[in-house]
Amino acid sequence: DVVMTQSPVSLPVTLGQPASISCRSSQSLVYSDGNTYLTWLQQRPGQSPRRLIYKVSNRDSGVPDRFSGSGSGTDFTLKISRVEAEDVGVYYCMEGTHWPRGLTFGGGTKVEIK
Amino acid sequence: QVQLVQSGAELKKPGSSVKVSCKASGGSFSRYGISWVRQAPGQGLEWMGGIIPYFGVGNYAQKFQGRLTITADESTNTAYMELSSLRSEDTAVYFCAGGPNYGENDYWGQGTLVTVSS
Repeated sequence: DVVMTQSPVSLPVTLGQPASISCRSSQSLVYSDGNTYLTWLQQRPGQSPRRLIYKVSNRDSGVPDRFSGSGSGTDFTLKISRVEAEDVGVYYCMEGTHWPRGLTFGGGTKVEIK
Repeated sequence: QVQLVQSGAELKKPGSSVKVSCKASGGSFSRYGISWVRQAPGQGLEWMGGIIPYFGVGNYAQKFQGRLTITADESTNTAYMELSSLRSEDTAVYFCAGGPNYGENDYWGQGTLVTVSS
């Protein structure tokens, strides 16, 4: 089974400052079609998760451009260039390379304002 | 705009079963990949299983094999998740998620709280 390891678990950030979240998978997420099915989700308090980034670096419609995703193979990063108050919540990485046989989430990173 | 709308909260007794629905609108449901994901109180996200309605075959995480059934009705654009032999540890919010891009969970339902208590 794939294991997705996120760090840090908690990330206090000053408003306007950058934030970075790491996600590592126990095996390569490159699929046979050449795509890497690594997704980033945001879950604000009391809400359903919302997809922010898919296939490592593609932003969903309506997602502010201060969010960016990067990485390859087994190492991935989500960056927020300047944290705003509305960014508070838990961020999850998710691998879908093995769907429908499996799908794995990272443990989550809680972003809060200092 | 695709929407996934789930059925309402449930209170169940230990040992019973629960069936949660997820109705899709605004897209080609039969070709979607639909996953069921749960979140225990204060915990992270856990994938339970998935289905492509067109093929109608559920795939399940090992942990839920034998206790979980995922189905889909193309005529009503609705997916279902049925979990049996409920125990207190199954108390969680259950989400459906999915869309046209398999394994990428483009869209999420609002969640259904299932409480298991005697």
